[in-house]
Amino acid sequence: DAGVIQSPRHEVTEMGQEVTLRCKPISGHDYLFWYRQTMMRGLELLIYFNNNVPIDDSGMPEDRFSAKMPNASFSTLKIQPSEPRDSAVYFCASSPGTGSGEQFFGPGTRLTVL
Amino acid sequence: GESVGLHLPTLSVQEGDNSIINCAYSNSASDYFIWYKQESGKGPQFIIDIRSNMDKRQGQRVTVLLNKTVKHLSLQIAATQPGDSAVYFCAENNSGGYQKVTFGTGTKLQVIP
Repeated sequence: DAGVIQSPRHEVTEMGQEVTLRCKPISGHDYLFWYRQTMMRGLELLIYFNNNVPIDDSGMPEDRFSAKMPNASFSTLKIQPSEPRDSAVYFCASSPGTGSGEQFFGPGTRLTVL
Repeated sequence: GESVGLHLPTLSVQEGDNSIINCAYSNSASDYFIWYKQESGKGPQFIIDIRSNMDKRQGQRVTVLLNKTVKHLSLQIAATQPGDSAVYFCAENNSGGYQKVTFGTGTKLQVIP
């Protein structure tokens, strides 16, 4: 298996633009997570899905952020409009959800908002 | 609020020595803990986990110790190698089930050749 796939790996955009981050989880995993990592705040859980259904979005910073999972093999995290303080590395992770809580992380998307 | 924190932000260890990375947690209701390793430019990678009904668990070259009395977690790496250089995070679950976890701030381990 190729592991969790994220695209793009790097994104540079200007303030006010819409940004869409994409994730393909590991096949057969029932859980999908979106995290944001910054030096100031560390690794924060934004939202997670179980069987394509959002379970907990309490970590989503504000209405500018939205996430969808239209099917078991694809999820998006959208920021509209983007702001400089959204600059961070965004990770997607998936988990089989059986027994262990091990999460498999993707390589991340480094977002820079100018 | 409840949080997971690490005592040492940076730890330097001589190659071949053992490393001990510590983590304090404050949520006494947490019953599941995980250690992750994050190398530069990569996502976190699972190392080992432990449930609250255990106080020790061993993996390959790694051991996790859990002291629920003082709410302390540690990761021991035997015979530290250059490839162990990374940031290490402890994480605890803070809700029912093992899926939602809160990550600590991380400790950077530097292995000196």
